[in-house]
Amino acid sequence: GAGVSQTPSNKVTEKGKYVELRCDPISGHTALYWYRQSLGQGPEFLIYFQGTGAADDSGLPNDRFFAVRPEGSVSTLKIQRTERGDSAVYLCASSPAGLASGELFFGEGSRLTVL
Amino acid sequence: AQSVTQLDSQVPVFEEAPVELRCNYSSSVSVYLFWYVQYPNQGLQLLLKYLSGSTLVKGINGFEAEFNKSQTSFHLRKPSVHISDTAEYFCAVSLNTGFQKLVFGTGTRLLVSP
Repeated sequence: GAGVSQTPSNKVTEKGKYVELRCDPISGHTALYWYRQSLGQGPEFLIYFQGTGAADDSGLPNDRFFAVRPEGSVSTLKIQRTERGDSAVYLCASSPAGLASGELFFGEGSRLTVL
Repeated sequence: AQSVTQLDSQVPVFEEAPVELRCNYSSSVSVYLFWYVQYPNQGLQLLLKYLSGSTLVKGINGFEAEFNKSQTSFHLRKPSVHISDTAEYFCAVSLNTGFQKLVFGTGTRLLVSP
């Protein structure tokens, strides 16, 4: 497809379980971002990749959260030992290399519910 | 660090009426400013942006915003809204020293009724 694709669109899990959320960016976009949007809040920055490397992971809340982008395209956000407070919509966005205009192209998000 | 304040969580308005959605930011350095829109069951999409130059910025769907440095504001306006403008609107800021990430406000839900 032409846009950013995120899977699964919905994920329900139990407290303590491990979760993986996948993001497939727009072809050719080298910058990839993960954001988290809690109910009633704006998106909150988690991590930014430029190519394969994490250029800024300052938004990851703790060491239970980890993200990879091994080939510079698809990215996976991994959450270990999930907690109820992790429930949110996880948004992925991409942008072309060298574009300093700030236009991010967002996916529809993965809604995570931790019971 | 930058921050964004959207004071209005919800703005109800009648169709064809004008609307203004307020956004104020705080930053000790120059910034880029953006408005994103999120329609129901869709991803966020860019409405307009201010990088430099003219302080009046025009975006898609008839929206415009004005950058006011002295008041640190970037309010969004539309002279006549449509039912289809019902959505969540987010103001965002980033540093202009090499774009890396956006800081978003909490959003304003625009509700347009007939």
